[in-house]
Amino acid sequence: GAVVSQHPSRVICKSGTSVKIECRSLDFQATTMFWYRQFPKKSLMLMATSNEGSKATYEQGVEKDKFLINHASLTLSTLTVTSAHPEDSSFYICSARGGGPSGELFFGEGSRLTVL
Amino acid sequence: GQQLNQSPQSMFIQEGEDVSMNCTSSSIFNTWLWYKQDPGEGPVLLIALYKAGELTSNGRLTAQFGITRKDSFLNISASIPSDVGIYFCAGFGGTSYGKLTFGQGTILTVHP
Repeated sequence: GAVVSQHPSRVICKSGTSVKIECRSLDFQATTMFWYRQFPKKSLMLMATSNEGSKATYEQGVEKDKFLINHASLTLSTLTVTSAHPEDSSFYICSARGGGPSGELFFGEGSRLTVL
Repeated sequence: GQQLNQSPQSMFIQEGEDVSMNCTSSSIFNTWLWYKQDPGEGPVLLIALYKAGELTSNGRLTAQFGITRKDSFLNISASIPSDVGIYFCAGFGGTSYGKLTFGQGTILTVHP
């Protein structure tokens, strides 16, 4: 299947700092990528849809000024958690649709953010 | 928004046993996907289903797209310890406008 890669896999930061997470589609181009947040032993919660060359579409209740999304190329989307606080600690996962006609969603490895 | 009801929430089984889990929805889906997630990792696609009634296998895994397009099941035969993880159903369709809707997940524990 298609390969989606995230970086970093783990990050620890101090409260008040900003953290950037990258999501790359390695063997296909993705005009649309999705960012999810997941709490322990819970399902994935869609945060936003990242659109190449245009603004991201945020789900209800997700602060767009806090979670900045940039999709500058067909293979890279970034999520920046601004002024991070301990409650932002979570597992963040990106996904993208594979290049074939089937449209399956492939996920990155996830990024564990811990805000101290 | 759309919801998928996945059950059971958790299962504790002995190695060698068969496992069955399912998802139901109040609305129609066009595509059903089953994922497995290991701790600290992103979900990995196991099986994708595109047509009502479709039955698809991937090794010891078998999944079916329900005739009504409102449900799907996943079976795992002869479970082994590495089957441990969280299994999610997910679907495209209806009013989701291209977004993937996830079930709540089934936590599978396999005792050797």
